[in-house]
Amino acid sequence: QITLKESGPTLVKPTQTLTLTCTFSGFSLSTSGVGVGWIRQPPGKALEWLALIYWNDDKRYSPSLKSRLTITKDTSKNQVVLTMTNVDPVDTATYFCAHKGAARLQEYDNWGQGTLVTVSS
Amino acid sequence: DIQMTQSPSSLSASVGDRVTITCQASQDISNYLNWYQQKPGKAPKLLIYDASNLETGVPSRFSGSGSGTDFTFTISSLQPEDIATYYCQQYDNLPPERLTFGGGTKVEIK
Repeated sequence: QITLKESGPTLVKPTQTLTLTCTFSGFSLSTSGVGVGWIRQPPGKALEWLALIYWNDDKRYSPSLKSRLTITKDTSKNQVVLTMTNVDPVDTATYFCAHKGAARLQEYDNWGQGTLVTVSS
Repeated sequence: DIQMTQSPSSLSASVGDRVTITCQASQDISNYLNWYQQKPGKAPKLLIYDASNLETGVPSRFSGSGSGTDFTFTISSLQPEDIATYYCQQYDNLPPERLTFGGGTKVEIK
């Protein structure tokens, strides 16, 4: 059974750096084809894809946020970390991490519960 | 950038009705189109992948079709538990690779 869980601060001040951790179980991020992505959702709004890291450490970022995002993995700890610099109140959102299976093209078949991050002074 | 236009943004239908949601891409995306269901306060759930493939365990009243630029998601007989917001998601495999979600369709019971 695949599970993912996001963790990190619930409140961040503007201009600070946000660090979110996705801790997962039930799969290995060293298996060929597997990936973990981050998606966010501002309150009452649509989903927005942020970043994806593959088993081979290849990374993809949303072009509009690429300069502010860094995604890394720690295979031994079964964790993926997303860092977002210079946050703004518009970054207030629920942040989800999700699993892309080895046989999948680019769909996310298992998701974490999400963590709400508020950016406010 | 590939733009995804999802419509309608909301709809109200009766139990047992056939419900159809469309998603249009600004350019050809082959069949790189997935559909998700999101219930309030929950994470999205994958229903349809590669435009028309039903995810394991998803009821057969859900279906998807289309290729190229025009895609359709259908609930053949709306059930009370189908109340949710539905999102299409496309994958652009040309550099820079990216995923884009549609704006969502909120489905309510009339």
